[in-house]
Amino acid sequence: SQTIHQWPATLVQPVGSPLSLECTVEGTSNPNLYWYRQAAGRGLQLLFYSIGIGQISSEVPQNLSASRPQDRQFILSSKKLLLSDSGFYLCAWSITGGGGEKLFFGSGTQLSVL
Amino acid sequence: DQQVKQNSPSLSVQEGRISILNCDYTNSMFDYFLWYKKYPAEGPTFLISISSIKDKNEDGRFTVFLNKSAKHLSLHIVPSQPGDSAVYFCAASGRAGSYQLTFGKGTKLSVIP
Repeated sequence: SQTIHQWPATLVQPVGSPLSLECTVEGTSNPNLYWYRQAAGRGLQLLFYSIGIGQISSEVPQNLSASRPQDRQFILSSKKLLLSDSGFYLCAWSITGGGGEKLFFGSGTQLSVL
Repeated sequence: DQQVKQNSPSLSVQEGRISILNCDYTNSMFDYFLWYKKYPAEGPTFLISISSIKDKNEDGRFTVFLNKSAKHLSLHIVPSQPGDSAVYFCAASGRAGSYQLTFGKGTKLSVIP
């Protein structure tokens, strides 16, 4: 069966520091991969998605970036964090079927930028 | 512009009764709809989905109804259980191959024992 691992679970970082969140998927090949963010009091916002190694699409302009160095690895990064980057970050993978994409989420990373 | 709206931020229901969570959308290109359930500090888990070619999909205690003309869908939980207490997100996407799911802001359901 497929599993998705995301770490760390919580992270407290000072403003201006770098960020690296990692996500790996097991049990499937060539998954579509996603980074979402849930800010306080808001819904889930798509940040990046990838349909293959090295293929990254950005949905929202910001100081974050994503990379996919391996088929089942997805990394979210920042060179300098802002206060507004605080939120709950979710990695997800998807399969296509039944008429559309069905996403499966990791357990999330609660990021607090102070 | 919020394309998927969940207008009720919270809902309280007595255990054993029916919970009805509502969702409205504005984009007529959406043709696939999903409901996710989220506990605090955890990722959302997929509950149930419906394609626009259907008006109802049922899975155990969960039923999703779609009214395309009204651009409205609802999730019914019968009977409601305390373990159903969570935040429920409605999501929508375009045709297969459209990778973006658009989520609502969520409705927090509290099932009172």
